[in-house]
Amino acid sequence: DIQMTQSPSSLSASVGDRVTITCRASQSISSYLNWYQHKPGKAPNLLIYAASSLQSGVPSRFSGSGSGTDFTLTISSLQPEDFATYYCQQSYGTPHMYTFGQGTKLEIK
Amino acid sequence: QVQLQESGPGLVKPSETLSLTCTVSGGSTSSYYWSWIRQPPGKGLEWIGYIYYSGSTNYNPSLRSRVTISVDTSKNQFSLKLSSVTAADTAVYYCARVDWTLYSNYTEDIYYYYMDVWGKGTTVTVSS
Repeated sequence: DIQMTQSPSSLSASVGDRVTITCRASQSISSYLNWYQHKPGKAPNLLIYAASSLQSGVPSRFSGSGSGTDFTLTISSLQPEDFATYYCQQSYGTPHMYTFGQGTKLEIK
Repeated sequence: QVQLQESGPGLVKPSETLSLTCTVSGGSTSSYYWSWIRQPPGKGLEWIGYIYYSGSTNYNPSLRSRVTISVDTSKNQFSLKLSSVTAADTAVYYCARVDWTLYSNYTEDIYYYYMDVWGKGTTVTVSS
């Protein structure tokens, strides 16, 4: 089974900060990596798919990069609505199997 | 605009079977993959499994022996059954649509799958 490890587990930042969250896979997953934003009591929201493709309707301050085993999600300038928990998720394999990272909680400093 | 809504009992007794339904509106279950995900209290997201509209399924190996996902295209619904539940199955359960993007080059087709539409989730508590 492929394990996904995110770092950090939690992060404090201020509005306007540039933030980077890292996700590492236990084996190479090419670019089969997605990122979601999750706020309490709400449905998770797809931000990035295929490692670096921005989902329609998602602000351009969100970006993703990486391939193989190491990936990053970057928020270029934090906005108040960005404070949430972020999850990476892999979709590698035939048939495709899914695993989430443990999440990164982004809090207001 | 496609919307998903989970429904089912909020309380299930230990050793019994948890049953949930996801109703799809504004779209059809006669295409796409359809998935279930859960989040135990204070923990992260866990993928449970998915079903293709044709009926083929794939499950999380850790839950495979207890999980059944089915689809009823005539009702535009898909369902989750989880047997022999314990307190560890207490969670918010989400349903989601799985879409894909196809990348083709001269040698291969690559499908990137992602969950792009989610329900709001339903809380299921396992307790006697």
